[in-house]
Amino acid sequence: GAGVSQSPRYKVAKRGQDVALRCDPISGHVSLFWYQQALGQGPEFLTYFQNEAQLDKSGLPSDRFFAERPEGSVSTLKIQRTQQEDSAVYLCASSDGSEYEQYFGPGTRLTVT
Amino acid sequence: GQQVMQIPQYQHVQEGEDFTTYCNSSTTLSNIQWYKQRPGGHPVFLIQLVKSGEVKKQKRLTFQFGEAKKNSSLHITATQTTDVGTYFCAVKTSYDKVIFGPGTSLSVIP
Repeated sequence: GAGVSQSPRYKVAKRGQDVALRCDPISGHVSLFWYQQALGQGPEFLTYFQNEAQLDKSGLPSDRFFAERPEGSVSTLKIQRTQQEDSAVYLCASSDGSEYEQYFGPGTRLTVT
Repeated sequence: GQQVMQIPQYQHVQEGEDFTTYCNSSTTLSNIQWYKQRPGGHPVFLIQLVKSGEVKKQKRLTFQFGEAKKNSSLHITATQTTDVGTYFCAVKTSYDKVIFGPGTSLSVIP
């Protein structure tokens, strides 16, 4: 079937605006991860869902970041009052379980001006 | 907290030369995964190692998990231009958080 999809692929936001990034995981995958990747760096863990339960949100950099997966499939990462330091690629990945390989989406490149 | 280090940060090789990247953890690992990210792309899973001392091969790629399960290596024999990219190791903490290493960026000179 289809892989992990993310939308939008590119987002330009003015500082202070709210943004919402969407992730459609592979159908049936129970685990879903969000990462932030700055240029030239490795993916930095943000949060992890098992079905609809958010089991770990320790990587969210501030309370401006919020993620949800209400029905255990599609997930949304919301960033309120965006700041320039939020500029990065936001990657979503899904897997059959946390012990298994992760399938990454193409990412959303967020630029805050 | 748990730290994951990779060396080298960058490696430039002539096509046909071998390449090795190393991943080191501050704590004992239950497993380790390796991913490859091409320029402008997203990470793609290569392999997972679970057992102490485990060695796995994929064509020209050889992956090894250390005996103490605190380090791992990826070796590419006779590099090709298609090997260009950044290679990341990734480890899972006891709470399902996944930590990626900083990566080794490989350039292959034709």
